[in-house]
Amino acid sequence: DQQVKQNSPSLSVQEGRISILNCDYTNSMFDYFLWYKKYPAEGPTFLISISSIKDKNEDGRFTVFLNKSAKHLSLHIVPSQPGDSAVYFCAASSIIQGAQKLVFGQGTRLTINP
Amino acid sequence: DTEVTQTPKHLVMGMTNKKSLKCEQHMGHRAMYWYKQKAKKPPELMFVYSYEKLSINESVPSRFSPECPNSSLLNLHLHALQPEDSALYLCASKPTSSGLETQYFGPGTRLLVL
Repeated sequence: DQQVKQNSPSLSVQEGRISILNCDYTNSMFDYFLWYKKYPAEGPTFLISISSIKDKNEDGRFTVFLNKSAKHLSLHIVPSQPGDSAVYFCAASSIIQGAQKLVFGQGTRLTINP
Repeated sequence: DTEVTQTPKHLVMGMTNKKSLKCEQHMGHRAMYWYKQKAKKPPELMFVYSYEKLSINESVPSRFSPECPNSSLLNLHLHALQPEDSALYLCASKPTSSGLETQYFGPGTRLLVL
């Protein structure tokens, strides 16, 4: 039972254009969502997050949109840069036994072409 | 400073060996996590420690034994592992146990079981 899904395993975007990464979830108990970026042989690096009471959060080139009714969130990167090439994981948070539990999507490999 | 450190970076062990992975953070975070990540898969939660007490054990086999000696340190003791336990082991921390906060990840320990 995959509670968090990233249906696109890979995405290729031209440098300077917008990258849009998508994530769907099934559990309405999730109350906080995060995006992480991961390079090979490194731990995930936090990018941006959004609380379930908001529909948008922006930080520089990164914007996350949340559509609760559709149980869908997306990460927009604009303009895309070559250094953005990495695997991006969407994660959803819930509180279980008093502790935060993150469930990750399968990841989307983003390649930015010069 | 949002650094979580993990040692060793790489570990090769036989199925009869006993070894330990170490994770350290000096951010004053009171929740610490162990995750396992197989190749081309998302991180999967193993254990959660909250205020140095084990909060969540995701039905992890007993050959993995976590320990939290103090609020800055988290260990994962390994004994009689199987080749399928080969993976990247990630440690993460966050300020409180149940707050809507980001988990910060270390670089991971890449484990190979022969």
